[in-house]
Amino acid sequence: GENVEQHPSTLSVQEGDSAVIKCTYSDSASNYFPWYKQELGKRPQLIIDIRSNVGEKKDQRIAVTLNKTAKHFSLHITETQPEDSAVYFCAASLGPNDYKLSFGAGTTVTVRA
Amino acid sequence: DGGITQSPKYLFRKEGQNVTLSCEQNLNHDAMYWYRQDPGQGLRLIYYSQIVNDFQKGDIAEGYSVSREKKESFPLTVTSAQKNPTAFYLCASTIGASGTDTQYFGPGTRLTVL
Repeated sequence: GENVEQHPSTLSVQEGDSAVIKCTYSDSASNYFPWYKQELGKRPQLIIDIRSNVGEKKDQRIAVTLNKTAKHFSLHITETQPEDSAVYFCAASLGPNDYKLSFGAGTTVTVRA
Repeated sequence: DGGITQSPKYLFRKEGQNVTLSCEQNLNHDAMYWYRQDPGQGLRLIYYSQIVNDFQKGDIAEGYSVSREKKESFPLTVTSAQKNPTAFYLCASTIGASGTDTQYFGPGTRLTVL
Protein backbone atom coordinates (compact mmCIF):
# COMPACT_ATOMS: atom_id res chain seq x y z
CA GLY A 1 0.00 0.00 0.00
CA GLU A 2 0.86 3.67 -0.05
CA ASN A 3 3.51 4.88 2.40
CA VAL A 4 3.71 8.58 3.21
CA GLU A 5 6.70 10.01 5.05
CA GLN A 6 6.60 13.49 6.53
CA HIS A 7 9.44 15.74 7.66
CA PRO A 8 10.26 17.37 9.94
CA SER A 9 8.37 16.00 12.91
CA THR A 10 8.68 19.32 14.73
CA LEU A 11 9.25 22.81 13.42
CA SER A 12 9.76 26.02 15.35
CA VAL A 13 9.67 29.33 13.47
CA GLN A 14 9.75 32.98 14.37
CA GLU A 15 6.52 34.83 13.77
CA GLY A 16 6.59 36.31 10.30
CA ASP A 17 8.99 33.72 8.91
CA SER A 18 8.05 30.93 6.52
CA ALA A 19 7.49 27.28 7.35
CA VAL A 20 7.94 24.37 4.97
CA ILE A 21 6.83 20.78 5.52
CA LYS A 22 7.75 18.07 3.07
CA CYS A 23 6.13 14.71 2.36
CA THR A 24 7.18 11.86 0.14
CA TYR A 25 4.97 9.07 -1.13
CA SER A 26 5.71 5.64 -2.48
CA ASP A 27 2.94 4.84 -4.96
CA SER A 28 3.43 6.66 -8.26
CA ALA A 29 -0.28 6.14 -8.98
CA SER A 30 -1.29 8.47 -6.14
CA ASN A 31 -2.88 11.58 -7.53
CA TYR A 32 -4.59 13.42 -4.70
CA PHE A 33 -2.70 15.11 -1.85
CA PRO A 34 -4.57 16.93 0.93
CA TRP A 35 -3.17 18.70 3.97
CA TYR A 36 -4.97 18.72 7.32
CA LYS A 37 -4.38 21.01 10.27
CA GLN A 38 -5.10 19.93 13.84
CA GLU A 39 -4.99 22.62 16.48
CA LEU A 40 -4.42 21.57 20.07
CA GLY A 41 -7.49 19.80 21.41
CA LYS A 42 -9.39 20.14 18.16
CA ARG A 43 -10.25 17.93 15.22
CA PRO A 44 -8.22 17.82 11.99
CA GLN A 45 -9.50 20.10 9.24
CA LEU A 46 -8.64 20.26 5.56
CA ILE A 47 -6.66 23.39 4.73
CA ILE A 48 -5.56 22.79 1.16
CA ASP A 49 -5.26 20.00 -1.37
CA ILE A 50 -3.68 19.41 -4.75
CA ARG A 51 -4.26 16.99 -7.57
CA SER A 52 -1.56 15.49 -9.73
CA ASN A 53 -2.46 17.50 -12.80
CA VAL A 54 -1.39 20.67 -10.98
CA GLY A 55 2.11 21.61 -9.84
CA GLU A 56 1.24 24.30 -7.35
CA LYS A 57 -1.79 25.67 -5.56
CA LYS A 58 -2.08 28.74 -3.33
CA ASP A 59 -4.64 29.95 -0.84
CA GLN A 60 -3.67 33.21 0.82
CA ARG A 61 -0.64 32.45 3.01
CA ILE A 62 -0.49 28.74 2.34
CA ALA A 63 0.64 26.93 -0.77
CA VAL A 64 1.29 23.37 -1.78
CA THR A 65 3.72 22.21 -4.43
CA LEU A 66 3.87 18.80 -6.05
CA ASN A 67 6.78 17.10 -7.79
CA LYS A 68 5.41 13.94 -9.37
CA THR A 69 8.76 12.81 -10.72
CA ALA A 70 10.37 12.88 -7.31
CA LYS A 71 7.15 11.78 -5.60
CA HIS A 72 7.10 14.53 -3.05
CA PHE A 73 4.85 17.42 -2.14
CA SER A 74 5.32 20.28 0.26
CA LEU A 75 3.28 22.72 2.33
CA HIS A 76 4.51 26.29 2.51
CA ILE A 77 3.21 28.76 5.07
CA THR A 78 4.35 32.35 4.63
CA GLU A 79 4.24 35.20 7.15
CA THR A 80 3.52 32.76 9.97
CA GLN A 81 1.25 33.85 12.79
CA PRO A 82 0.64 32.39 16.27
CA GLU A 83 -2.61 30.80 15.05
CA ASP A 84 -0.57 28.72 12.62
CA SER A 85 0.74 26.74 15.59
CA ALA A 86 -0.73 23.26 15.16
CA VAL A 87 -0.02 19.74 13.95
CA TYR A 88 -0.08 19.43 10.17
CA PHE A 89 -0.73 16.14 8.40
CA CYS A 90 -0.13 15.38 4.75
CA ALA A 91 -1.96 12.56 3.03
CA ALA A 92 -2.14 10.79 -0.31
CA SER A 93 -4.72 8.76 -2.16
CA LEU A 94 -5.03 7.08 -5.50
CA GLY A 95 -7.91 9.35 -6.43
CA PRO A 96 -11.69 9.09 -6.73
CA ASN A 97 -11.80 5.31 -6.85
CA ASP A 98 -9.64 4.86 -3.80
CA TYR A 99 -11.55 5.05 -0.52
CA LYS A 100 -8.46 5.46 1.54
CA LEU A 101 -6.20 8.31 2.58
CA SER A 102 -2.72 7.39 3.76
CA PHE A 103 -1.51 9.97 6.30
CA GLY A 104 1.96 11.12 7.21
CA ALA A 105 3.03 11.08 10.85
CA GLY A 106 2.44 14.80 11.33
CA THR A 107 4.52 17.91 11.92
CA THR A 108 4.12 19.99 15.07
CA VAL A 109 4.59 23.62 14.11
CA THR A 110 5.27 26.19 16.81
CA VAL A 111 5.28 29.87 15.90
CA ARG A 112 7.33 31.92 18.36
CA ALA A 113 6.14 35.45 19.06
CA ASP B 1 -17.78 20.06 11.76
CA GLY B 2 -20.56 20.25 14.33
CA GLY B 3 -22.32 17.65 12.18
CA ILE B 4 -20.14 14.83 13.50
CA THR B 5 -20.24 13.96 17.14
CA GLN B 6 -18.33 11.40 19.14
CA SER B 7 -18.97 10.18 22.64
CA PRO B 8 -17.70 9.88 25.20
CA LYS B 9 -14.86 12.40 25.12
CA TYR B 10 -12.85 10.33 27.60
CA LEU B 11 -13.19 6.62 28.24
CA PHE B 12 -11.43 4.37 30.68
CA ARG B 13 -11.32 0.63 30.19
CA LYS B 14 -10.22 -2.14 32.44
CA GLU B 15 -8.21 -5.06 31.14
CA GLY B 16 -10.43 -7.62 29.43
CA GLN B 17 -13.34 -5.28 28.85
CA ASN B 18 -14.97 -4.44 25.56
CA VAL B 19 -15.92 -0.81 25.09
CA THR B 20 -17.91 0.93 22.37
CA LEU B 21 -17.19 4.37 20.99
CA SER B 22 -20.04 6.28 19.43
CA CYS B 23 -19.91 8.25 16.18
CA GLU B 24 -22.93 10.06 14.76
CA GLN B 25 -23.25 12.40 11.78
CA ASN B 26 -26.14 14.46 10.50
CA LEU B 27 -24.41 15.56 7.28
CA ASN B 28 -26.11 12.90 5.18
CA HIS B 29 -22.68 11.58 4.27
CA ASP B 30 -22.42 8.17 2.69
CA ALA B 31 -19.03 7.08 3.97
CA MET B 32 -17.67 6.92 7.49
CA TYR B 33 -14.24 6.08 8.85
CA TRP B 34 -12.48 5.25 12.10
CA TYR B 35 -8.89 6.28 12.72
CA ARG B 36 -6.52 5.74 15.56
CA GLN B 37 -4.10 8.53 16.42
CA ASP B 38 -0.91 7.80 18.37
CA PRO B 39 1.89 10.28 19.00
CA GLY B 40 4.33 10.32 16.10
CA GLN B 41 2.28 7.93 13.97
CA GLY B 42 -0.28 10.08 12.26
CA LEU B 43 -3.74 8.73 11.57
CA ARG B 44 -4.14 5.03 10.92
CA LEU B 45 -7.31 3.63 9.40
CA ILE B 46 -9.14 1.01 11.46
CA TYR B 47 -12.38 0.46 9.53
CA TYR B 48 -14.42 2.27 6.94
CA SER B 49 -17.94 2.01 5.58
CA GLN B 50 -19.06 3.25 2.19
CA ILE B 51 -22.74 2.40 2.57
CA VAL B 52 -25.16 1.14 5.18
CA ASN B 53 -24.76 -2.51 6.17
CA ASP B 54 -21.31 -2.69 4.60
CA PHE B 55 -17.86 -2.02 6.03
CA GLN B 56 -14.26 -2.90 5.26
CA LYS B 57 -11.12 -3.43 7.31
CA GLY B 58 -8.47 -0.78 7.24
CA ASP B 59 -4.80 -1.14 8.06
CA ILE B 60 -5.13 -1.95 11.76
CA ALA B 61 -8.51 -3.69 12.19
CA GLU B 62 -7.34 -6.45 14.53
CA GLY B 63 -9.04 -6.21 17.92
CA TYR B 64 -11.74 -3.84 16.68
CA SER B 65 -15.25 -4.32 15.32
CA VAL B 66 -17.83 -1.99 13.78
CA SER B 67 -21.40 -1.92 12.56
CA ARG B 68 -23.25 0.33 10.15
CA GLU B 69 -26.95 -0.29 10.66
CA LYS B 70 -27.89 3.33 10.04
CA LYS B 71 -26.42 5.91 7.70
CA GLU B 72 -25.92 8.32 10.58
CA SER B 73 -24.14 5.98 12.97
CA PHE B 74 -20.86 4.05 12.88
CA PRO B 75 -19.96 2.73 16.35
CA LEU B 76 -16.55 1.21 17.04
CA THR B 77 -16.05 -1.55 19.59
CA VAL B 78 -12.61 -2.00 21.06
CA THR B 79 -12.42 -5.61 22.15
CA SER B 80 -10.23 -7.28 24.72
CA ALA B 81 -8.25 -8.72 21.82
CA GLN B 82 -6.79 -5.28 21.09
CA LYS B 83 -3.49 -5.47 22.93
CA ASN B 84 -2.67 -1.79 23.16
CA PRO B 85 -5.91 0.18 22.90
CA THR B 86 -4.81 3.34 24.70
CA ALA B 87 -5.03 6.01 22.00
CA PHE B 88 -7.03 8.89 20.59
CA TYR B 89 -9.80 7.70 18.26
CA LEU B 90 -11.18 9.87 15.49
CA CYS B 91 -14.27 9.27 13.42
CA ALA B 92 -14.66 10.91 10.03
CA SER B 93 -17.18 11.05 7.23
CA THR B 94 -17.18 11.99 3.56
CA ILE B 95 -20.06 12.96 1.34
CA GLY B 96 -19.28 10.08 -1.00
CA ALA B 97 -16.89 7.16 -0.93
CA SER B 98 -14.21 8.81 -3.02
CA GLY B 99 -10.61 9.22 -2.00
CA THR B 100 -10.79 12.85 -3.09
CA ASP B 101 -13.73 13.81 -0.89
CA THR B 102 -12.95 16.02 2.08
CA GLN B 103 -12.87 14.12 5.33
CA TYR B 104 -14.82 15.77 8.12
CA PHE B 105 -13.65 14.68 11.55
CA GLY B 106 -15.39 14.34 14.86
CA PRO B 107 -13.89 15.74 18.09
CA GLY B 108 -12.40 12.39 19.09
CA THR B 109 -12.50 9.99 22.03
CA ARG B 110 -9.48 9.44 24.22
CA LEU B 111 -9.40 5.85 25.45
CA THR B 112 -7.21 4.83 28.36
CA VAL B 113 -6.70 1.30 29.61
CA LEU B 114 -6.34 1.11 33.37
